[in-house]
Amino acid sequence: EPEVTQTPSHQVTQMGQEVILRCVPISNHLYFYWYRQILGQKVEFLVSFYNNEISEKSEIFDDQFSVERPDGSNFTLKIRSTKLEDSAMYFCASSERVFTDTQYFGPGTRLTVL
Amino acid sequence: AQSVSQHNHHVILSEAASLELGCNYSYGGTVNLFWYVQYPGQHLQLLLKYFSGDPLVKGIKGFEAEFIKSKFSFNLRKPSVQWSDTAEYFCAVITNNAGNMLTFGGGTRLMVKP
Repeated sequence: EPEVTQTPSHQVTQMGQEVILRCVPISNHLYFYWYRQILGQKVEFLVSFYNNEISEKSEIFDDQFSVERPDGSNFTLKIRSTKLEDSAMYFCASSERVFTDTQYFGPGTRLTVL
Repeated sequence: AQSVSQHNHHVILSEAASLELGCNYSYGGTVNLFWYVQYPGQHLQLLLKYFSGDPLVKGIKGFEAEFIKSKFSFNLRKPSVQWSDTAEYFCAVITNNAGNMLTFGGGTRLMVKP
């Protein structure tokens, strides 16, 4: 069964550094998402992406964040200057369609900002 | 904005006990509802979903959920749990005014004692 994959599984970085989290969505899916879960808190929506554009973003997704689909398979989340409060598990998801479709999640990348 | 509440944060059951996990959402319009499960060390997996039709939906591994629109609820049930059901369970909703953004509840950690 096709799966969403994410790399790395764990990323440790220093405050102020840039990080790029990578995701490979399911191949025939057209909609891509990033969510995050700070330890002990709810899973929160960050951004959705379709047709090489951001279709929705939350208040969390400020100018420090960006997303890109650099090629036909990868979907990346970049944090330009990490802060301590960016430490969280970041989940990538993909779906075939919006609203009436299931989002399939990857295993997550645990980001630790020191 | 919509929100999802899961009132049970931790549940401990013995094998063969019956399970019911509560989920309530706050939104008056059309919703799609999901239960995801996260087994220890694994990624979020879809357990079941409700889009329309029969409000009693059946998912994998003997789980079912009932959508009660008048109560804004989508409770998860299983008549007889197994040790392998030990996991964290997340209720989530997509509403017709929020495109493709999943809103999650806080999760319920279920521990099943053998």
